[in-house]
Amino acid sequence: DAGITQSPRHKVTETGTPVTLRCHQTENHRYMYWYRQDPGHGLRLIHYSYGVKDTDKGEVSDGYSVSRSKTEDFLLTLESATSSQTSVYFCAISEGTGRYGYTFGSGTRLTVV
Amino acid sequence: QQQVKQSPQSLIVQKGGISIINCAYENTAFDYFPWYQQFPGKGPALLIAIRPDVSEKKEGRFTISFNKSAKQFSLHIMDSQPGDSATYFCAASIGSADDKIIFGKGTRLHILP
Repeated sequence: DAGITQSPRHKVTETGTPVTLRCHQTENHRYMYWYRQDPGHGLRLIHYSYGVKDTDKGEVSDGYSVSRSKTEDFLLTLESATSSQTSVYFCAISEGTGRYGYTFGSGTRLTVV
Repeated sequence: QQQVKQSPQSLIVQKGGISIINCAYENTAFDYFPWYQQFPGKGPALLIAIRPDVSEKKEGRFTISFNKSAKQFSLHIMDSQPGDSATYFCAASIGSADDKIIFGKGTRLHILP
C-alpha cells in the first residue's frame, strides 16, 4: 500500500517470547493505529498514536505496548507472546482525525506456537 | 452505544445480482459513515462514505443508503461481479478531538460466476 509498510509480513514465534512489529509511513501523517483482525471479531483497535511519543490504548491493549519515537515509525510489541495473540495485525495511518478515512498497510500474519 | 452492528456475516450472490449489506448504530453523535473493502491478503481500503445530511450516495455500482431516523445504513452493490468478492466493513465516527473510527465486524461477500 502506497506510503505505509509493515514488517515482517509473516512471523512464527514461540509462546513467551517478545515480538515487535513495525509500521513505517512516508506520508508524514500525524495519526497511526494498530489493529488486529480475527474471524468473527472484525477489526479491533489495540493502540493508537496522535503524535511522536503520544500514544493511547484501544479496546484490546492488554499484553501489547507501543512506541513512536519518530513520526514515520510506530512499533507494536507483544511483551510475552501467547497463542491468543495469533492474528493478522494491521497498521493504519490518517492525515487528520480518523473521520476522513484510514490508509491501511498490508498486514502482518503472526502465529504464536 | 459505540458499536456498529453489521449483517449478514457472510453473503453469497449470483453474478449480476444485487448485494446488500446492512449496518445499524445507536450513538446519534456519529456523523461520518465510511465503508471499507478488503481483498484477501490485503489491508482494508476506503470504498465510499456518507454523511447523515445525505440519504444516498452513489459511486459507480456502489450505493450507500442512509436512514437517519432508523439509525441504519446499507451498502448496495449493483450488477455484482466476481471481482467484488471481498470482506466489507461498515464504520462510523464522531466529529470530536478523539475521533477514531468504529468498525462493524465485517461481511464476507462471495459472488458466484
